[in-house]
Amino acid sequence: EVQLLESGGGLVQSGGSVRLSCAASGFSFSSYAMSWVRQAPGKGLEWVSSISGSGDSTYYVASMKGRSTISRDNSKNTLYLQMSSLRADDTAVYYCANIMRGFGGAFHIWGQGTMVTAS
Amino acid sequence: SYELTQPPSVSVSPGQTASITCSGYNLGDKYACWYQQKPGQSPVLVIYEDNKRPSGIPERFSGSNSGNTATLTISGTQAMDEADYYCQAWDSSTHYVFGTGTKVTAL
Repeated sequence: EVQLLESGGGLVQSGGSVRLSCAASGFSFSSYAMSWVRQAPGKGLEWVSSISGSGDSTYYVASMKGRSTISRDNSKNTLYLQMSSLRADDTAVYYCANIMRGFGGAFHIWGQGTMVTAS
Repeated sequence: SYELTQPPSVSVSPGQTASITCSGYNLGDKYACWYQQKPGQSPVLVIYEDNKRPSGIPERFSGSNSGNTATLTISGTQAMDEADYYCQAWDSSTHYVFGTGTKVTAL
């Protein structure tokens, strides 16, 4: 079964840092570009960051550039998002998702999400 | 920056057809996809590349995209289709963009 399982969320002080993880199983992880998407409470979806299958290429939403780093360890089938200088408006559920047909494609499989509260 | 606009809500009688629009500049020149999200759950991809259904998505979900508007159509809407729906496209400058979301209610 294809599965993505996020972890690492929690309550973080404003200005603090957090590292999110996403463990993948059931598919060839290194063959897929991956993304992080977030959803603030009661709000819509917002793309945060993406990374190529090899990890060589990374992309960020403007509001997270310089404050976050996406990375992956293909030997561990795990995706990461390191976020720093957290603000109240970073409070959201953070989902990881794999991308169909490479960067620019649709987000196919989603994890259950992990909540980050910056306060 | 690129923006996608959806109506906040759509109401439909069970068994009837629901149409959800997504508007963006020259959206027809890009691929559009659609996600369904039920309360407390993760989003689910229901349409990709304008009109393709992933495995496991019922045939009553269909999509089209032309000009400035993409449309998700749910034929024979069922109570289980009540959810929030988000369109999404990829733009070379903004990268991934989601629509504002539409709440579908089966009255």
